Amino acid sequence: AQSVTQLGSHVSVSEGALVLLRCNYSSSVPPYLFWYVQYPNQGLQLLLKYTSAATLVKGINGFEAEFKKSETSFHLTKPSAHMSDAAEYFCAVSGPGNEKLTFGTGTRLTIIP
Amino acid sequence: DGGITQSPKYLFRKEGQNVTLSCEQNLNHDAMYWYRQDPGQGLRLIYYSQIVNDFQKGDIAEGYSVSREKKESFPLTVTSAQKNPTAFYLCASSVDSPYEQYFGPGTRLTVT
Repeated sequence: AQSVTQLGSHVSVSEGALVLLRCNYSSSVPPYLFWYVQYPNQGLQLLLKYTSAATLVKGINGFEAEFKKSETSFHLTKPSAHMSDAAEYFCAVSGPGNEKLTFGTGTRLTIIP
Repeated sequence: DGGITQSPKYLFRKEGQNVTLSCEQNLNHDAMYWYRQDPGQGLRLIYYSQIVNDFQKGDIAEGYSVSREKKESFPLTVTSAQKNPTAFYLCASSVDSPYEQYFGPGTRLTVT
């Protein structure tokens, strides 16, 4: 069985500051990992994905995430927060032979002007 | 433009009525999914289908039904047996599993 834990249901950062959203996973098979972003009353948009290639993954809007097997983590970062980054972010895990994605409970990111 | 459409955006129903939510995709994806989203609970899988005329229950299938008669369509019926149907419903599709899923804009269902 696979699971995802997102630490911090709410995170606030100042505009221009580092964004760090945490995701830890549990998987019995090599995982595929995803970060999605959701703006209010909209669907989810894929930010980036890890599928066993490079451990540092770059995504859209300046976000990146690093797969650390030893820490079972896939934290999302952005060097400098922008007001438009305010949204909810979801981490998800899947794996070979598993036809489902398992989502974390989400982290709401607030940007302070 | 390829994508997933869900209609309507907002839906209101009286308790005891069945309601069907539409999901259509023109991405030529084989797999389609239905999720329910409630505040603070993330996304929970209701049903999924990997191929036409076949579908499987997800984690919270009770009170819901689906059909997959065409590759591009995967409607969800919320039946009167669903005890707490008010929620935001999201449809998604993927080329194959376990690859990334693409999401529609969602339908917000309110049952009173």
